[in-house]
Amino acid sequence: DQQVKQNSPSLSVQEGRISILNCDYTNSMFDYFLWYKKYPAEGPTFLISISSIKDKNEDGRFTVFLNKSAKHLSLHIVPSQPGDSAVYFCAASPILDGNEKLTFGTGTRLTIIP
Amino acid sequence: NAGVMQNPRHLVRRRGQEARLRCSPMKGHSHVYWYRQLPEEGLKFMVYLQKENIIDESGMPKERFSAEFPKEGPSILRIQQVVRGDSAAYFCASSGDLNSPLHFGNGTRLTVT
Repeated sequence: DQQVKQNSPSLSVQEGRISILNCDYTNSMFDYFLWYKKYPAEGPTFLISISSIKDKNEDGRFTVFLNKSAKHLSLHIVPSQPGDSAVYFCAASPILDGNEKLTFGTGTRLTIIP
Repeated sequence: NAGVMQNPRHLVRRRGQEARLRCSPMKGHSHVYWYRQLPEEGLKFMVYLQKENIIDESGMPKERFSAEFPKEGPSILRIQQVVRGDSAAYFCASSGDLNSPLHFGNGTRLTVT
């Protein structure tokens, strides 16, 4: 039962263009959403988060959009840079639990083409 | 400020042996979490601990797995009588409070032969 789904295992984007990573969830109790970035042989690194009271959160080149009615969120990276090549994980939790029991998607491998 | 430290980075065990994975949280962090990543899957929650207390172990297999976070020293994830299916990357994370994002260590890759 995959409650957080990232349906694109991989994505290639030209350097300088926009990267859009998508994530769908099924559990209506999820209230808090995060994106993590992971390089090989390293742990995930927190990128950006959003709570369900917002529909957009922006931090530099990274913007997360949340569509609660569609149970969908996306991460936009613009402009994309070679250092953005990594696996990106979407994660979610019921805010009542804090963030300790995050449910992760299976990840999308982003490759930025120079 | 050192990040979350996990050791060993790689651990090879034969079936039936015990595996001990260690995690030192970031300085000042009192919340520790263990996650497991099987090949081609996302990270799955195992257990959440605070000093000397297991808060939530709903993701832990019922047998062979245990975790502790003693008053002094690192958190330990212990797997007894390992089987091939235990082969995975085990990640530890810490936070200062429930409203802060988790900071992950670089993981321990366990291989059971």
